Amino acid sequence: DQQVKQNSPSLSVQEGRISILNCDYTNSMFDYFLWYKKYPAEGPTFLISISSIKDKNEDGRFTVFLNKSAKHLSLHIVPSQPGDSAVYFCAASASTGNTGKLIFGQGTTLQVKP
Amino acid sequence: NAGVMQNPRHLVRRRGQEARLRCSPMKGHSHVYWYRQLPEEGLKFMVYLQKENIIDESGMPKERFSAEFPKEGPSILRIQQVVRGDSAAYFCASSPRGAYGYTFGSGTRLTVV
Repeated sequence: DQQVKQNSPSLSVQEGRISILNCDYTNSMFDYFLWYKKYPAEGPTFLISISSIKDKNEDGRFTVFLNKSAKHLSLHIVPSQPGDSAVYFCAASASTGNTGKLIFGQGTTLQVKP
Repeated sequence: NAGVMQNPRHLVRRRGQEARLRCSPMKGHSHVYWYRQLPEEGLKFMVYLQKENIIDESGMPKERFSAEFPKEGPSILRIQQVVRGDSAAYFCASSPRGAYGYTFGSGTRLTVV
């Protein structure tokens, strides 16, 4: 039962352009969402998060959008840089009775070409 | 602050042997999470521990897997009688409290031959 899905295994964009990574979820109890970035042979690094009371959160070049009715969120990176090339994971959690456990998507590999 | 330290980074075990994975949380963090990443998949939650307590083990396989976080020393994830399907990257994360913004270690890559 894949509650968090990233349907695009990979994405390739040109340096300076926008990267858009997508994530869908099925559990309506999820109310907190995060994006992590992962380089090979390293652990995931937290990027940005959003609570379900918001529909947008911005941090520098990174913006996360949440569409609760569609159960969809997206991460926008603009402008994209070669150093952004990594695997990006979307994660979700339900705060009610939760202990901080995260449900991760399968990841999307982003390649930013110089 | 050295961050979340996991060792060993790589571990090779023969089928039937035991694997012990260690995780030292960040200084001041008393909450530890273990996740497993199988090849080509996302991270899957295994267990959440506080010092001397298992809080949530809903993601742990029922057999052969156990975890502890003693009062002193690192958290240990123990896998008995390993099988090829246990080959994966195991990540530990720590937090000062049970919250989402936790910091991951670099992982232990277990290979069962």
